[in-house]
Amino acid sequence: EVLLVDSGGGLVQPGGSLRLSCAASGFNFGDYCMTWVRQAPGKGLEWVAKINEYGTEKNYVDSVKGRFTTSRDNAENLLYLQMNGLKADDTAVYYCAREVAASGASDLWGQGTLVTVSS
Amino acid sequence: DIQMTQSPSSLSASVGDRVTISCQSSQDINNSLNWYQQKLGKAPKLLIHNSSILQTGIPSTFSGGGSGTHFTLTINSLQPDDVASYYCQQGGHFSLTFAGGSFGRGTKVEIK
Repeated sequence: EVLLVDSGGGLVQPGGSLRLSCAASGFNFGDYCMTWVRQAPGKGLEWVAKINEYGTEKNYVDSVKGRFTTSRDNAENLLYLQMNGLKADDTAVYYCAREVAASGASDLWGQGTLVTVSS
Repeated sequence: DIQMTQSPSSLSASVGDRVTISCQSSQDINNSLNWYQQKLGKAPKLLIHNSSILQTGIPSTFSGGGSGTHFTLTINSLQPDDVASYYCQQGGHFSLTFAGGSFGRGTKVEIK
């Protein structure tokens, strides 16, 4: 089965760190760019980051630049989002997603993992 | 940064109605525009990419169009299963430099 499974969310204090993981299965993970999208409670979708197939090119939304880092392990079919300096505004469900080649569209999504930043 | 403006923010229509959602980008994005459906508590689902290409498995009652800065998503013959929020997204692949993947604020579709 073609699947993405998000994990690693939880409650963290402001200024803290968290690492999210996304496990891919059922497809050749190393052939695809991957993205992270988040959704604050009751709000819309926000594109967060993208990493290319090889892990050599990364892009971030301005609000997380310098705090978040995405990486991948193609041998283990894993995608990561390291989040440092977390703020209350980072509270959201975080989704990993697979990108359709050359379109920027995400055709496969994880179930999401909730990150809550609160003291 | 590219801003995506969606309208309306919500709509209510009857079963069988034709519904159109608009999306405008702050700069020319060629046809690099995607549409998603998100039902309550679920991950988004890709409906259309590159402005008008229907994703595999999506019914032909959904259609997309437009290029440049103005785009539309049309649902022909609205059904109860179409109740959801709909988001446009610029795909970032319209210039030599990747331009992010910003989303519109969404349109909530309900049945009257």
